[in-house]
Amino acid sequence: GAVVSQHPSWVICKSGTSVKIECRSLDFQATTMFWYRQFPKQSLMLMATSNEGSKATYEQGVEKDKFLINHASLTLSTLTVTSAHPEDSSFYICSASTPGQGRQYFGPGTRLTVT
Amino acid sequence: AQTVTQSQPEMSVQEAETVTLSCTYDTSESDYYLFWYKQPPSRQMILVIRQEAYKQQNATENRFSVNFQKAAKSFSLKISDSQLGDAAMYFCAYKRETSGSRLTFGEGTQLTVNP
Repeated sequence: GAVVSQHPSWVICKSGTSVKIECRSLDFQATTMFWYRQFPKQSLMLMATSNEGSKATYEQGVEKDKFLINHASLTLSTLTVTSAHPEDSSFYICSASTPGQGRQYFGPGTRLTVT
Repeated sequence: AQTVTQSQPEMSVQEAETVTLSCTYDTSESDYYLFWYKQPPSRQMILVIRQEAYKQQNATENRFSVNFQKAAKSFSLKISDSQLGDAAMYFCAYKRETSGSRLTFGEGTQLTVNP
């Protein structure tokens, strides 16, 4: 149980375009979802925390107008990278948690390449 | 703010031998969770082991065990009978007990298992 999926697993887009990444909890309701960014051989960097039905809380230094996060339901959160640039190329990972549990469930990640 | 430190960027072990990965953390909280995650080349985050701070007994999961020293704020991971499949990046992580709170990750330790 407790499976989190991400779609797409790999996306290539042109500079200046927008790309949407979906994160779904398949067999549980996720009241809180987290979005991370990871560069090669580095740790996960938290970008934002989203609670269902409310605005996301962004970490310091993360541009909220560039990385739009929507958590419209208890099973779906989306991250939209707007006006993508090559420096946005990275690995994006989402995770989900439920109330009362001490752990997060991670998606498989999405590799974004901006050309 | 909580911080997690992994002082060993790289470690190696011979197959079937034992290896210990180090982790220290800093917090003013008394109740929290500590985790070890494994990230293989697929980059899927896999939970290896979890420890609740209020529990004095060290957590164990098959070949994986921890040495939790709350006063010293130390949380090391011991891998016994190392297998080739254990080769991965290992992250130590901290989480406050509050529901929906974030994970704070260490920098990671790249473990190589030599045949």
